[in-house]
Amino acid sequence: DVKVTQSSRYLVKRTGEKVFLECVQDMDHENMFWYRQDPGLGLRLIYFSYDVKMKEKGDIPEGYSVSREKKERFSLILESASTNQTSMYLCASRGRPTGELFFGEGSRLTVL
Amino acid sequence: SQKIEQNSEALNIQEGKTATLTCNYTNYSPAYLQWYRQDPGRGPVFLLLIRENEKEKRKERLKVTFDTTLKQSLFHITASQPADSATYLCALDGGSQGNLIFGKGTKLSVKP
Repeated sequence: DVKVTQSSRYLVKRTGEKVFLECVQDMDHENMFWYRQDPGLGLRLIYFSYDVKMKEKGDIPEGYSVSREKKERFSLILESASTNQTSMYLCASRGRPTGELFFGEGSRLTVL
Repeated sequence: SQKIEQNSEALNIQEGKTATLTCNYTNYSPAYLQWYRQDPGRGPVFLLLIRENEKEKRKERLKVTFDTTLKQSLFHITASQPADSATYLCALDGGSQGNLIFGKGTKLSVKP
């Protein structure tokens, strides 16, 4: 079974702190994604990557950056966390261009 | 821009009945559409994929239709059970490097 593992289920950070959210997949998938999910707004794409060292902006990239140094790992970085980045963050991977997304369990970030 | 709508935020039905969820889209002609299930505090889980040249797809008690003229997909759960209670998300092929665009979801509650 494909497994997508997110490093932290719950995090509490202070405004201005740098935050790293790590995601690892074990099925050699090319494509990886970071979404955030907020009540009433649904899943919104932050960034995605279709290969090592490649990245593409999604719909809401402002305030975020990403890193994909190895195929299995895709990191989301908040350089200076703000309260409006309090959210559920979901990582996903995909093996085939038309295949399903495999999601991690999510990381719930609270920024105080 | 592409827009995807799931008409109901919430749907309450009695156990044993058929649940029907709707997904509409505009300004786009996706090659396929997917449905996911999401339980509270968890990541979405893939259920079904239907392609533009397929009218209907079935999997156990689940059935999905795809009408490219109406720009609509219907998701049916027959003989619904309380365990089917969850949020159901539809997602369209975003056309760019394997991206998916998600609807906001419909929260289904099946009462015993």
